[in-house]
Amino acid sequence: DAGVIQSPRHEVTEMGQEVTLRCKPISGHNSLFWYRQTMMRGLELLIYFNNNVPIDDSGMPEDRFSAKMPNASFSTLKIQPSEPRDSAVYFCASRTSDRGWETQYFGPGTRLLVL
Amino acid sequence: GQSLEQPSEVTAVEGAIVQINCTYQTSGFYGLSWYQQHDGGAPTFLSYNALDGLEETGRFSSFLSRSDSYGYLLLQELQMKDSASYFCAVTIGTYKYIFGTGTRLKVLA
Repeated sequence: DAGVIQSPRHEVTEMGQEVTLRCKPISGHNSLFWYRQTMMRGLELLIYFNNNVPIDDSGMPEDRFSAKMPNASFSTLKIQPSEPRDSAVYFCASRTSDRGWETQYFGPGTRLLVL
Repeated sequence: GQSLEQPSEVTAVEGAIVQINCTYQTSGFYGLSWYQQHDGGAPTFLSYNALDGLEETGRFSSFLSRSDSYGYLLLQELQMKDSASYFCAVTIGTYKYIFGTGTRLKVLA
């Protein structure tokens, strides 16, 4: 199994630009999470999808953030416009709802730097 | 509010045993997980406790006491490759995980 795939792995952009992060969950997993990790705030849940439907987006910091999951094998997290305080590592994670549901599998992350 | 507390840093020598504690105050509780994260890497799952007691997986063990809102991760026969950050995480609902701030483990030769 390829694991959770994220792209790009690194992104450097200027303030005001649109940023799109991509995630391909593990095949067969029906739950997908987007997290943000910073030194100050640790690992924070941004949004949770179940069966491609956004269930909880209460962690999305502002309207500048949006996420979609058009099908079971693809999700995007978009920041528009980006700001320097959005600089962080963004992780996508997936899990099954069957046996072993308690285990989240994290992707390698996207390291975002907004100048 | 939700809070998890764990030590910020722990240092031990190769071959030793180390215990990383986690206390939590959360509005709900399904279970306590532990994740390992190497510098520049992704968190990887280590263990999950839903019930009181000790779970053993190779060199790693995890303990939970629900009445004390407390758990720990025990690492035995420490190896250099165990140098990483370790996060406890409480599942407060079917999907909501609250992560601790992490404990940085340094293993010395």
